[in-house]
Amino acid sequence: GENVEQHPSTLSVQEGDSAVIKCTYSDSASNYFPWYKQELGKRPQLIIDIRSNVGEKKDQRIAVTLNKTAKHFSLHITETQPEDSAVYFCAASIRNAGNMLTFGGGTRLMVKP
Amino acid sequence: DGGITQSPKYLFRKEGQNVTLSCEQNLNHDAMYWYRQDPGQGLRLIYYSQIVNDFQKGDIAEGYSVSREKKESFPLTVTSAQKNPTAFYLCASRVGGPGWEQFFGPGTRLTVL
Repeated sequence: GENVEQHPSTLSVQEGDSAVIKCTYSDSASNYFPWYKQELGKRPQLIIDIRSNVGEKKDQRIAVTLNKTAKHFSLHITETQPEDSAVYFCAASIRNAGNMLTFGGGTRLMVKP
Repeated sequence: DGGITQSPKYLFRKEGQNVTLSCEQNLNHDAMYWYRQDPGQGLRLIYYSQIVNDFQKGDIAEGYSVSREKKESFPLTVTSAQKNPTAFYLCASRVGGPGWEQFFGPGTRLTVL
């Protein structure tokens, strides 16, 4: 089955700096890659996703890039703010096979004011 | 935040007891999922259902059971066969057909005493 690795497990940045979180996946058939933000004790919230037919997607301060050949994708947050502090999860799934998500282990992002 | 509800928010169970976690959605979504989250870790798939009266095992189905008698409801039973059930349980749903995104419920925190 699919295996998703996520790095780093913790990331501390100064407010205003950029943060990058990287994930690799094992199943070349995966074609959907969402990123979720989870605050302590809360449900995961989708912040951005990318499908395998595009290489990059941007939404204001957040962007995701996908390299299908290397089987890795990354989350980029620019101009970080204290409210960006949370745990971020990447995931991968195969669109027409139940869309079951396989999650990475998570990255705890701390933005210091 | 509306659309998917889980109850109870907190649940305490004695060893040897079966407990059932509720998940209801009013989004008219076809697919529903159950995930387990352990402290400091990512989510792992327990069971999923793409249509009423049909469900499939995920990666960690042992010790759990589900039913899907109605489109809106996908209850999860944690049986006494689950050796380490203390965890945060998250239910999710997804619109069928072309739908990609999974929406999560608020979760149930289960503690075995």
